[in-house]
Amino acid sequence: GEDVEQSLFLSVREGDSSVINCTYTDSSSTYLYWYKQEPGAGLQLLTYIFSNMDMKQDQRLTVLLNKKDKHLSLRIADTQTGDSAIYFCAETFSGGYNKLIFGAGTRLAVHP
Amino acid sequence: DSGVTQTPKHLITATGQRVTLRCSPRSGDLSVYWYQQSLDQGLQFLIQYYNGEERAKGNILERFSAQQFPDLHSELNLSSLELGDSALYFCASSVDDSYEQYFGPGTRLTVT
Repeated sequence: GEDVEQSLFLSVREGDSSVINCTYTDSSSTYLYWYKQEPGAGLQLLTYIFSNMDMKQDQRLTVLLNKKDKHLSLRIADTQTGDSAIYFCAETFSGGYNKLIFGAGTRLAVHP
Repeated sequence: DSGVTQTPKHLITATGQRVTLRCSPRSGDLSVYWYQQSLDQGLQFLIQYYNGEERAKGNILERFSAQQFPDLHSELNLSSLELGDSALYFCASSVDDSYEQYFGPGTRLTVT
């Protein structure tokens, strides 16, 4: 079935790396995504990875995919206070058209 | 700014009423998606339209309906409103059945 799970909260110090984790259950996932939501704002597409890839890097963001364990992670290098937000993991899967299945979101708090 | 616009930004109405939420996709995008974000259910896919035709349906109540017009803007109609319909409603758009969905800022609906 369709299920995406994330831990709810992460606190890091400014300048450290943040790692946000996500697990999914659908083995027919096609793409996996990370979206960012700041307070009072919409969802910003940060990055995505095709399910046959293991890793994708985009500036300070690194996405790692472990297909065997159905585990996705987002690493933010040199975390800044502007990175404080809720981060949503999401998937699309074959046969599901492009509907996004979202996790509950991880609230990232960055402190000085 | 994703290029997706939604109006109104906020809407307050009473139980039993009917409201219409409007979405204009990014220029050139043919697909429009509607999502609901609530504290209880998280982010849930409601419905997708592609070039005027319904493409996929999610957990959309029978009291809710949507359409996409020839100019590609979309409207989500919510009727016989209940307190539990209070939520953020997001519209997203993509070029076609593309894997990149871009979200609007949302409409916050409060039912009193």
